[in-house]
Amino acid sequence: QQKVQQSPESLIVPEGAMTSLNCTFSDSASQYFAWYRQHSGKAPKALMSIFSNGEKEEGRFTIHLNKASLHFSLHIRDSQPSDSALYLCAVSNRIFFGDGTQLVVKP
Amino acid sequence: ETAVFQTPNYHVTQVGNEVSFNCKQTLGHDTMYWYKQDSKKLLKIMFSYNNKQLIVNETVPRRFSPQSSDKAHLNLRIKSVEPEDSAVYLCASSQGGTLYFGAGTRLSVL
Repeated sequence: QQKVQQSPESLIVPEGAMTSLNCTFSDSASQYFAWYRQHSGKAPKALMSIFSNGEKEEGRFTIHLNKASLHFSLHIRDSQPSDSALYLCAVSNRIFFGDGTQLVVKP
Repeated sequence: ETAVFQTPNYHVTQVGNEVSFNCKQTLGHDTMYWYKQDSKKLLKIMFSYNNKQLIVNETVPRRFSPQSSDKAHLNLRIKSVEPEDSAVYLCASSQGGTLYFGAGTRLSVL
C-alpha cells in the first residue's frame, strides 16, 4: 500500500516568509500529486496539482516534483496569515493523503 | 460554490445503533469517495465508487457499507456504531485526479 509522509508536522512562520512543505511517497508508478489546504472547520480544498517532473507556479504557490527521489514539495512565497491551515499532500492512484502539516503564519 | 452535498451535518448516536449518511454531487464526475478524518485530522480513504462499481475498500470494518443508486449519489451506512467511529466523514468526487469534498458529517458516538 502507498505510504505518504509529510514534514514537518507543524510550522510557525512570520508574515512575509517563504514556507516550504515536504511530502514523500513510496510508489514510483504514482501519476498524480497534489496539495490540499484545509482551514479549521472546513473541508479540504485542492490547491495545486502536478503530473510530471518539474515545477509549477501559481501566484505565490510553487509545487515541485522529483519522481526519482519520491519527493514533492509546496513553497509559499510571502506567506500570509490567511495561509494558516492544515496542508495535506495527496498521491494517486487511490488518492492517499499524508498526515498533514499544520501551518501558522504570525502577523 | 458547493457541488458536493452531505447530510446530515452532525449526528449524535449511541453505541450499537445504525446510522446512514448521504452524499450527492452535481459535478457529473464518475468517481465518488468516502474518507474518514479523525480527531488528529488524519484523512483515510474508506471507499470509492466508479460508475456504481466499488473499486477501493481499504480494509474498513465490515459494519461500514457504501451504497450507490447512481453515479451522483454515494451513501454510507454504519450497521452498529462503535466509539472509535466518532469522526468527520467526508464525501468527495473526482474526474481526472482533483478531489472535490463535501462539508462533512461529524459523527459522535456516546
